[in-house]
Parts: sequence; C-alpha cells; structure tokens
Amino acid sequence: DAKTTQPNSMESNEEEPVHLPCNHSTISGTDYIHWYRQLPSQGPEYVIHGLTSNVNNRMASLAIAEDRKSSTLILHRATLRDAAVYYCILRRETSGSRLTFGEGTQLTVNP
Amino acid sequence: NAGVTQTPKFRILKIGQSMTLQCTQDMNHNYMYWYRQDPGMGLKLIYYSVGAGITDKGEVPNGYNVSRSTTEDFPLRLELAAPSQTSVYFCASSYNRLAKNIQYFGAGTRLSVL
Repeated sequence: DAKTTQPNSMESNEEEPVHLPCNHSTISGTDYIHWYRQLPSQGPEYVIHGLTSNVNNRMASLAIAEDRKSSTLILHRATLRDAAVYYCILRRETSGSRLTFGEGTQLTVNP
Repeated sequence: NAGVTQTPKFRILKIGQSMTLQCTQDMNHNYMYWYRQDPGMGLKLIYYSVGAGITDKGEVPNGYNVSRSTTEDFPLRLELAAPSQTSVYFCASSYNRLAKNIQYFGAGTRLSVL
C-alpha cells in the first residue's frame, strides 16, 4: 500500500478552522483517500473519504490536490470533542479492504 | 444501534494463560477484522475474515488464532499469552472489500499480560 506522511501533532483553538495535511506522493490512480480519527480511549471512527474530487459531509471536508499527491482534512469549527488522533489512509482495491494505519496527527484543541 | 461489540473491556492475564476476546456485529457485514494497537502507535492488522468459514492472516498473526462460524461473531484466541501481547485490541467490520467501504470499530479490549 502507498505510504502517507502526516505531522505528528497540531494545535488549534476552539471554534477556529483546522487544516490537517497529508502527503501521499506515491498514490496510484485507484487509491481512495480515507480519514479516520481516534478519540481518547476509543476505537477509530470514520470521518470522510474521497477519490479525486473534494468531499463534504457533516463532520468535515476533504480537499484533494489536483495531482492527488496530497490532501487536507478540514474541520470548519473545531470543538473540544475534536481532540483526537487523525489518520490519513490510502485504500486500494487489491489490498483486500484492510486499513494500514500510520501514527497519525495528534490534534489538540485549546479552549 | 449496537454496531460492533467487544468483550471484555479490560483483562489481565498471567504469562502462559489463554483467553478469547469476543467480537460481535449486528450490521450483517461480511468482512471482519482484528487489529492491535501498542502505545503511541497506529493499528496493526492481526487477522481478517471475508465471510463465515473464511479467515486469513494480517501483518502480525503470530500467537493468535481466529474462527468465523457465523456472520456475526469473530472471536480472537490468545494461546500461551506473552508480555509482548500487552496491547489494546480492536475488532472492526465492513460490508465488503471495496476500497471506498467504511470500517466500523468496536470500543476495544485493553489486555495486560504480566
């Protein structure tokens, strides 16, 4: 599976937007970009995914670069509950649907 | 909305003991997975199943066994527990193998082997 690179940690203030970057320079044409997050002492939860176009859902937005070598997860107004580890994961059809987790980005939200 | 349910939540084992971590899902998902997460690290796949009666190894299968007799249940068996198996274990499920598919995770079982 192609590898992703994320910053180890980021900080934000409550009610401000947060942009979480992810680099995936070896992405292939059929790789989907998934984001999961893990709140303290909980299992990971799905946030959003996309292939080529930008995506929005009730939790977040996903901005995908035109060359698909990077993407950004956008939380429009961070809340204290958004403090979590965010994982950017590439999923390929041939990988049998497994998720390959890196170390993710620890997001701290300051009140 | 139960989703993926794991039991127990916590367990302490002595070296050499065995135990079974239970996982059940009520979403009629074909695919189920077991991951482990060591402190400060991402999750690693132990075993997965594509349907009842079919299982396969993931990245770190040594020391574990699984079975899948029903769609709903996917227990993980630890034989001869070792300190290296101290970890948090997560079970997950998804409807199929498509790369766009979402995985749903349980709350985890925190295991200490002393």
